[in-house]
Amino acid sequence: EADIYQTPRYLVIGTGKKITLECSQTMGHDKMYWYQQDPGMELHLIHYSYGVNSTEKGDLSSESTVSRIRTEHFPLTLESARPSHTSQYLCASSEGGRSFSPLHFGNGTRLTVT
Amino acid sequence: DAKTTQPTSMDCAEGRAANLPCNHSTISGNEYVYWYRQIHSQGPQYIIHGLKNNETNEMASLIITEDRKSSTLILPHATLRDTAVYYCIVRVGGTSYGKLTFGQGTILTVHP
Repeated sequence: EADIYQTPRYLVIGTGKKITLECSQTMGHDKMYWYQQDPGMELHLIHYSYGVNSTEKGDLSSESTVSRIRTEHFPLTLESARPSHTSQYLCASSEGGRSFSPLHFGNGTRLTVT
Repeated sequence: DAKTTQPTSMDCAEGRAANLPCNHSTISGNEYVYWYRQIHSQGPQYIIHGLKNNETNEMASLIITEDRKSSTLILPHATLRDTAVYYCIVRVGGTSYGKLTFGQGTILTVHP
């Protein structure tokens, strides 16, 4: 099993609050990703990183921000949560330097903004 | 990236083989076929991938047609725990691999 962890598993928070979703992996993977998924819908890439101090926006526009100060840690922050941010957020990682390395996903954070 | 088409849902009896089709008629020569699955409330799980040859691992087999315009994922002996959404994705390998686009997928229901 892949060692990638997301906390919290569930989060209910009021509008306007600042929140940080945590993602950590113990595999030493260079590449990390954040996906967003609404219930029953497709996954959309919102952020990715190819290594420390590297962050890029994904295919789906998001008001969230990310940072990559350490290889193992890739937190996602919402400065001011809104009901439209209600969704599931999935973190993933993969090895760098190879043409193919499978994505390893965490079990996600289900965020509800009231 | 090549677009893929999968059936919305399929059923399979426990213990039988589950054959999940995927059409990717616009696939280009350097694009791989990847399969992932997502069990309810969990993150997606990698299953298998291939370029043009058939592939087999401990989870499944992947059969790619000679013209590479379609493929089939085979779960040889489906169990109830194989009930999940199965995603077929076509993408070039390399550094951009992680930018996968997960479509609607096929909801596979394995029943007793």
